[in-house]
Amino acid sequence: SQKIEQNSEALNIQEGKTATLTCNYTNYSPAYLQWYRQDPGRGPVFLLLIRENEKEKRKERLKVTFDTTLKQSLFHITASQPADSATYLCARFGSSNTGKLIFGQGTTLQVKP
Amino acid sequence: GAGVSQTPSNKVTEKGKYVELRCDPISGHTALYWYRQSLGQGPEFLIYFQGTGAADDSGLPNDRFFAVRPEGSVSTLKIQRTERGDSAVYLCASSFEGPGFDTQYFGPGTRLTVL
Repeated sequence: SQKIEQNSEALNIQEGKTATLTCNYTNYSPAYLQWYRQDPGRGPVFLLLIRENEKEKRKERLKVTFDTTLKQSLFHITASQPADSATYLCARFGSSNTGKLIFGQGTTLQVKP
Repeated sequence: GAGVSQTPSNKVTEKGKYVELRCDPISGHTALYWYRQSLGQGPEFLIYFQGTGAADDSGLPNDRFFAVRPEGSVSTLKIQRTERGDSAVYLCASSFEGPGFDTQYFGPGTRLTVL
């Protein structure tokens, strides 16, 4: 099956450090990957989209990479802050071209002051 | 401006009952999506509307689930003969056009608990 997987273990880091989250996919070559942030009791919020021909994309303190050889996307938050604590989801588009999203299970990030 | 809203925020029902969950998308958004999220999991696609029509309902788990969007704006997800396994957060999202790669804006979800 075409899976998209994230590390289900929570990531705990110290404020000011760089957080790195991983998204792996198997049996599929997505043309796009997206990253979302989800806070408790809220819906996901779109952060970044990266195309397969883009090695890297940045937005403020966020950086996403896309390695089609490793079948992996990395999501980095530099100079992390306690306010960055949340669950981060990666997602790919389904193959039916309807815009439906297929999500990984999410990784919870906890930034300690 | 107003985002996607969903009502109720919480719904507790008994096994076998019928429930309706409502989604108000962002005004002017033609595409509307329903997802379901279980604890510790990412959202799982249920159905996609383009205007009034269901363009992709491949994620509906069985015929107890049904959704409508009669006027191309508000949508209602209907679940008949609820089962304990239906307990989850039901998320609605809308985007300006769809299909394709429009940003999807999610509502806060309805937490459904089936006792």
